Amino acid sequence: AQSVTQLDSHVSVSEGTPVLLRCNYSSSYSPSLFWYVQHPNKGLQLLLKYTSAATLVKGINGFEAEFKKSETSFHLTKPSAHMSDAAEYFCVVSGQDTGRRALTFGSGTRLQVQP
Amino acid sequence: NAGVTQTPKFQVLKTGQSMTLQCAQDMNHEYMSWYRQDPGMGLRLIHYSVGAGITDQGEVPNGYNVSRSTTEDFPLRLLSAAPSQTSVYFCASSYSSGQGARTEAFFGQGTRLTVV
Repeated sequence: AQSVTQLDSHVSVSEGTPVLLRCNYSSSYSPSLFWYVQHPNKGLQLLLKYTSAATLVKGINGFEAEFKKSETSFHLTKPSAHMSDAAEYFCVVSGQDTGRRALTFGSGTRLQVQP
Repeated sequence: NAGVTQTPKFQVLKTGQSMTLQCAQDMNHEYMSWYRQDPGMGLRLIHYSVGAGITDQGEVPNGYNVSRSTTEDFPLRLLSAAPSQTSVYFCASSYSSGQGARTEAFFGQGTRLTVV
C-alpha cells in the first residue's frame, strides 16, 4: 500500500519570503509524485510532477520540489511568495504497487500569504 | 479541447433522492476516477475505472454506483442521497506512462452537492 503525509495543515508566510510545504510518502515501488494547487472554489491544477527523471523538478509559477528517496520526501518550495500563491496544496503519489488503483492524496496544506 | 467536463456545477438534493453526476473526457484516457473532497481530508477515491466495462471500488464507495460503457463517459450515481454525502465531487482522467506508472490526473471543475 502507499500513503502520503503532508506534515503541516496550515502554513503562513509573509509576501516575499520563502515557502516550504512538506510531504513524505510511502510506497513499495518507485513512485510518481505530484503537487497540485487548488484556489478557493476552483478545481485542481498540476504544479509539477516527478516521474523518475531528474530529482529536482521545476513547475509553474516558480515552484520546485526535490525527490529524496533516502528521506522518502518530496517537499515543495518557492524562493519568494506572492499573494496569489495563497491556496491549498496537495501532495499526490502514484506507484506500480497501486495496481489498478488511482492516485493517493495527502490531506492538504493551506498556504496563507501575509502582506 | 475541453478536457474533463463535469455537470452540474451545483446541486441541492433532498434526503432520499437519487441523481447522476455526469463526467466526460475527450482525451481518450483509459483511466477515470471519482473523488470526493471534504474539509481537512484531501480527496478520497470513490470509484475508478481502467477502461470501458471495467470499474472498481475506491476508499469510500458506499452509497454510490458507477458504470463505464464508453471510454469518454463515467457517470456517478447517488442511489439514495444522505446528508453525509454533502461534499464537492471531482472527476479525473489519466493514462499510463510507458513504465506502467500512472501519469498526472486531469480534473474537472467539480460539482458542489448539498443534501438537506
